[in-house]
Amino acid sequence: GENVEQHPSTLSVQEGDSAVIKCTYSDSASNYFPWYKQELGKRPQLIIDIRSNVGEKKDQRIAVTLNKTAKHFSLHITETQPEDSAVYFCADSNDYKLSFGAGTTVTVRA
Amino acid sequence: NAGVMQNPRHLVRRRGQEARLRCSPMKGHSHVYWYRQLPEEGLKFMVYLQKENIIDESGMPKERFSAEFPKEGPSILRIQQVVRGDSAAYFCASSPPQETQYFGPGTRLLVL
Repeated sequence: GENVEQHPSTLSVQEGDSAVIKCTYSDSASNYFPWYKQELGKRPQLIIDIRSNVGEKKDQRIAVTLNKTAKHFSLHITETQPEDSAVYFCADSNDYKLSFGAGTTVTVRA
Repeated sequence: NAGVMQNPRHLVRRRGQEARLRCSPMKGHSHVYWYRQLPEEGLKFMVYLQKENIIDESGMPKERFSAEFPKEGPSILRIQQVVRGDSAAYFCASSPPQETQYFGPGTRLLVL
């Protein structure tokens, strides 16, 4: 897909609380939705991904949900910890080209 | 299994010089992608290559930029006659066919 919108652009949460980031896409052919975490000056690291034949996926404190009808998907981080502070990017793809959202800067307050 | 390797990690060039960025994919990965990240922005797709083939270069600027992935050796992103607007982080990713892309550490290019 070409257009991926991501909200919010910044998110500050108290340690232990949950963080939710939402993305919308426009390309109906998109079938793969990864989430990347990028710490300052580092590479983007894949934290979780979901394909269009699945509505929800969970990995420990991280979960992703996908609503194909509404063309949106969300990242949920529970029991946030200071090391969760980073920039998070959503992306979509229908073959190989990843189209990224603008990113969400998450700050976890101790 | 070593991850995606990129070098140099930092590159400083003066306007008009050439920049060469190298990327070695993960072992077993035959697909390479280049992305550009401007400060405080998301990554933008530039080009997708397989060995000796450019599959999609729709994100590459029409002039001064070229990419290759030879049969032997790393993939190269080449920027000729650099301008200040080329200053950015350039990330390479690799994958098996139609699988998850894993990113390298990036090359941060600064054009003076």
